[in-house]
Amino acid sequence: AQTVTQSQPEMSVQEAETVTLSCTYDTSESDYYLFWYKQPPSRQMILVIRQEAYKQQNATENRFSVNFQKAAKSFSLKISDSQLGDAAMYFCAYRSLGGSQGNLIFGKGTKLSVKP
Amino acid sequence: EPEVTQTPSHQVTQMGQEVILRCVPISNHLYFYWYRQILGQKVEFLVSFYNNEISEKSEIFDDQFSVERPDGSNFTLKIRSTKLEDSAMYFCASSRDIYGYTFGSGTRLTVV
Repeated sequence: AQTVTQSQPEMSVQEAETVTLSCTYDTSESDYYLFWYKQPPSRQMILVIRQEAYKQQNATENRFSVNFQKAAKSFSLKISDSQLGDAAMYFCAYRSLGGSQGNLIFGKGTKLSVKP
Repeated sequence: EPEVTQTPSHQVTQMGQEVILRCVPISNHLYFYWYRQILGQKVEFLVSFYNNEISEKSEIFDDQFSVERPDGSNFTLKIRSTKLEDSAMYFCASSRDIYGYTFGSGTRLTVV
């Protein structure tokens, strides 16, 4: 079974600085999707970025980018120019391409604080 | 941008009572899901639904749970006899394909 591990329960960053959140996963599959979701205090789950495992190029969405290392099974999220609104729980998630469209497997999350 | 809508946002129920959580997925989406997040813990998959039937379910989704798409637009999660440990945030999600997954804003269920 696939597992997702986020080893940093909490992280803190100064406003305008850069922070990297770690995520590792375990799978025997070769094709899959990886996601980062943001959960602000409102508790809604908001998709930040996704990465297809077959793509070597790292995904980027504005200030958010990933470092996808397939061989190492690592999928870190980099937030550049951090803003106060980035403060939230961040969840890494894995989605298989097999089976019945694949449920998401989440890590335990990293709580990010942004200091003004 | 299309949204997944969940109602109510917060529900309080007595232990042993039945609750129905409601969701309106995005209209052209074909796959529907329920997830649960107990306070302070990770988000857990409950069930997926496609073509009017359950396609996958987790160990959490026991006989106390059921899902239904009663009218082609709503997607409901029923808990027949709630327990204290059912207190959690319940998220509905829908997707059109394997690429996108849109979550609703959640229903906070409190069992007292």
